Amino acid sequence: KNQVEQSPQSLIILEGKNCTLQCNYTVSPFSNLRWYKQDTGRGPVSLTIMTFSENTKSNRRYTATLDADTKQSSLHITASQLSDSASYICVVSGNDYKLSFGAGTTVTVRA
Amino acid sequence: DVKVTQSSRYLVKRTGEKVFLECVQDMDHENMFWYRQDPGLGLRLIYFSYDVKMKEKGDIPEGYSVSREKKERFSLILESASTNQTSMYLCASNGEAGAGELFFGEGSRLTVL
Repeated sequence: KNQVEQSPQSLIILEGKNCTLQCNYTVSPFSNLRWYKQDTGRGPVSLTIMTFSENTKSNRRYTATLDADTKQSSLHITASQLSDSASYICVVSGNDYKLSFGAGTTVTVRA
Repeated sequence: DVKVTQSSRYLVKRTGEKVFLECVQDMDHENMFWYRQDPGLGLRLIYFSYDVKMKEKGDIPEGYSVSREKKERFSLILESASTNQTSMYLCASNGEAGAGELFFGEGSRLTVL
């Protein structure tokens, strides 16, 4: 069964600090991996997509990494802002077009 | 701006009632999806549709049905709501199966008493 595990389940950081979220998956064969941001009470929005050949991709203060050999991805948030408070969901797509969702990491940024 | 609109943000229903959740997208997407989201479980696929009048079961279709009479509209139906269907329901669409970005609606939070 394809699985996507995210850690930590939740974290609290001070404004201006950095943090890293982890995503481990067993989906095989692999097509791509997306990170979504979900603000409280809203639908998820795509932050970045990683394909097999990509190791790192940045979107403003968000940097995603992918290690396809170990089946691990991370999302690094730099110089966190209050608006970064949200849930971050890792979604992995296999070659059969089926999507596997992680349970998400809830990030709380405090002033 | 691309948009997926869900008709109701919050609903409270009684056990046994019939519930309709409507979703409309303005991106001319072929594919539409209904998910439910529960704490600690992530998003789980209920039903999806790749074309008008076409539907496929997802991972948890029991207790639900869907309707897609027009390309832009995908409805989720709970024939007889039960308390274990209390959840956040998210509609999504994309124009490219599997690998494509999902565009989500704002969600419909359903409480069944």
